[in-house]
Amino acid sequence: GAVVSQHPSRVICKSGTSVKIECRSLDFQATTMFWYRQFPKKSLMLMATSNEGSKATYEQGVEKDKFLINHASLTLSTLTVTSAHPEDSSFYICSARGGLGYGYTFGSGTRLTVV
Amino acid sequence: AQKITQTQPGMFVQEKEAVTLDCTYDTSDQSYGLFWYKQPSSGEMIFLIYQGSYDEQNATEGRYSLNFQKARKSANLVISASQLGDSAMYFCAMREGRLSGGTSYGKLTFGQGTILTVHP
Repeated sequence: GAVVSQHPSRVICKSGTSVKIECRSLDFQATTMFWYRQFPKKSLMLMATSNEGSKATYEQGVEKDKFLINHASLTLSTLTVTSAHPEDSSFYICSARGGLGYGYTFGSGTRLTVV
Repeated sequence: AQKITQTQPGMFVQEKEAVTLDCTYDTSDQSYGLFWYKQPSSGEMIFLIYQGSYDEQNATEGRYSLNFQKARKSANLVISASQLGDSAMYFCAMREGRLSGGTSYGKLTFGQGTILTVHP
């Protein structure tokens, strides 16, 4: 079945540093990747949509300079949280167009803690 | 305005009983898709069931069925014969717009979620 590998699953970083999260589609081509953020026991909030080879489309209120998204290939999309602060601590999860589930395959998520 | 509404923050059910998780939606599109996902404490999103707006039959997948009432704009999930492993957070989601091959799918909008606890 379709798989999206998301790494790292957990990361702790110091305030002011940058963290890169990778989502890789293993057996299909992900032309579109959605990036979500989720606080504990809350809903998934869409941050941005990226299409391979073009700039990401950010949702209203999401700082594009802080959350850098790169979708350079059909199998890899990355989210970089730049100059991370404690309020960026959250669960980040990607979802790729394609595969099973009527077109959406989710990564396993990344739990980011900024100290 | 909230596009997807789940009004039950938490639900409890006895093992082997059936439970209904509510979901209402709001869209002006004629073509849309409704999804249910299960999210255990590990965080992964597990796809459960899908209903297209033009599907006349209610979707079913094993113990999961979707009670689709288009006029009322509701898409409730029914889990039959609950198991302890069903304890998790459940999300209803909607994709608006036509699904067409070769072009990008629409984004998913999620409801607030319902935490389901199955008691032995």
